[in-house]
Amino acid sequence: EVQLVESGGGLVKPGGSLRLSCAASGFTFSSYSLNWVRQAPGKGLQWVSSISSSYTYIYYTDSVKGRFTISRDNAKNSLYLQMNSLRAEDTAVYYCARDFGQMAPYFDYWGQGTLVTVSS
Amino acid sequence: SYELTQPPSVSVSPGQTARITCSGDALPKKYAYWYQQKSGQAPVLVIYEDNKRPSGIPERFSGSSSGTMATLTISGAQVEDEADYYCYSTDSSGNYRVFGGGTKVTVL
Repeated sequence: EVQLVESGGGLVKPGGSLRLSCAASGFTFSSYSLNWVRQAPGKGLQWVSSISSSYTYIYYTDSVKGRFTISRDNAKNSLYLQMNSLRAEDTAVYYCARDFGQMAPYFDYWGQGTLVTVSS
Repeated sequence: SYELTQPPSVSVSPGQTARITCSGDALPKKYAYWYQQKSGQAPVLVIYEDNKRPSGIPERFSGSSSGTMATLTISGAQVEDEADYYCYSTDSSGNYRVFGGGTKVTVL
């Protein structure tokens, strides 16, 4: 059974940093591209970042470029999101999501999310 | 940046047909996908590649795409179909992903 479990969320002050993790199991982690998707309270879904299976391709939505860094450790079956210079508008539930396949850039499995709150 | 546009809300009576539209300039070249999200839960894929239904998704869910508009149709909507629905696609490069703003479907 495919499982994605996020951790690392919490309360942080504006300008602070946080590192999210996503532990994966139930599939060959190194064969899949992975993503972070967020949802602000009461708002819609927003794709944040993606990383290819071999780390070659990395993309970010414009609002987090230069502040967030996505990474993965295929030996540990883990995905990460380093978030720096956090702003109030980064407050959201952050989901880890797996791409269906190499040429299929859509999400077939999601974690349950971890809440990040940016507030003084 | 690329955008997908959906209506904020759609209301339908039980057993009737609900249609949700999604417009985007790259949709003639890129597939549309649809996610259902119920309160407090992670999203669930209900339509992929414009009109394909994942296993386990009821047949009343169907999708179509023509030109710059994709449509999710719920034929014979049930009370349990009340949820937020999001269209999803990529920009023309295929590298940047985007969700529509979401449509709240009310069945009553």
